[in-house]
Amino acid sequence: QSVLTQPPSASGTPGQRVTISCSGSSSNIGSRDVYWYQQVPGTAPKLLIQRNNQRPSGVPDRFSGSKSGTSASLAISGLRSEDDTYYYCAVWDDSLSGRVFGGGTKLTVL
Amino acid sequence: EVQLVESGGGLVQPGQSLRLSCAASAVSFSDFYIDWVRQAPGKGLEWVGRTRNKAKSHTTAYAASVKGRFTISRDDSKNSVNLQMNSLRTEDTAVYYCTIPYATWGDSWGQGTLVTVSS
Repeated sequence: QSVLTQPPSASGTPGQRVTISCSGSSSNIGSRDVYWYQQVPGTAPKLLIQRNNQRPSGVPDRFSGSKSGTSASLAISGLRSEDDTYYYCAVWDDSLSGRVFGGGTKLTVL
Repeated sequence: EVQLVESGGGLVQPGQSLRLSCAASAVSFSDFYIDWVRQAPGKGLEWVGRTRNKAKSHTTAYAASVKGRFTISRDDSKNSVNLQMNSLRTEDTAVYYCTIPYATWGDSWGQGTLVTVSS
């Protein structure tokens, strides 16, 4: 049971916009920067969003992040078949003195 | 381009030890935090621990699940970090990744090394 709660699954059709939520607390999301990762099974995670809403170089602007209070969201617009994979949020937790990952969300592009 | 390469994974019995290494190229290790993250088969990502940069005196932090059993050390002169894993348990079976978080370019991850703990 992770301290960050993500929905286990999400879905959308090509071209749609989907959002994935990440719920935490005052000791993590409420006071620290949130990071979002995309992971294709069998490969290392790829950073999509850093510091709540910043895209590293090379990440398409279809991906965006936001944070409000103790929750964060990843939005993917113009959904494509290659977006069909797993997404994780991550943040430092001051109470645990460690980094925590959400349980992951499997996005299915129908 | 920064490259991280993990090594040292393998099959061990419960209670035994294993040491993983992470080597970096194209970057000066001393400037960066280095994390170890693991992923059990079919499961999500789990942060294992961290060694901070020289500016933070190379302090370390560990997940509760490995504290007291795992130790992270680094040799900036060799651009390498080690993860010493003692008293291994079946639940430590996972792919272990080393990663540079919070870098100016984003981050970097190795390809991962598989650790299997089984009798």
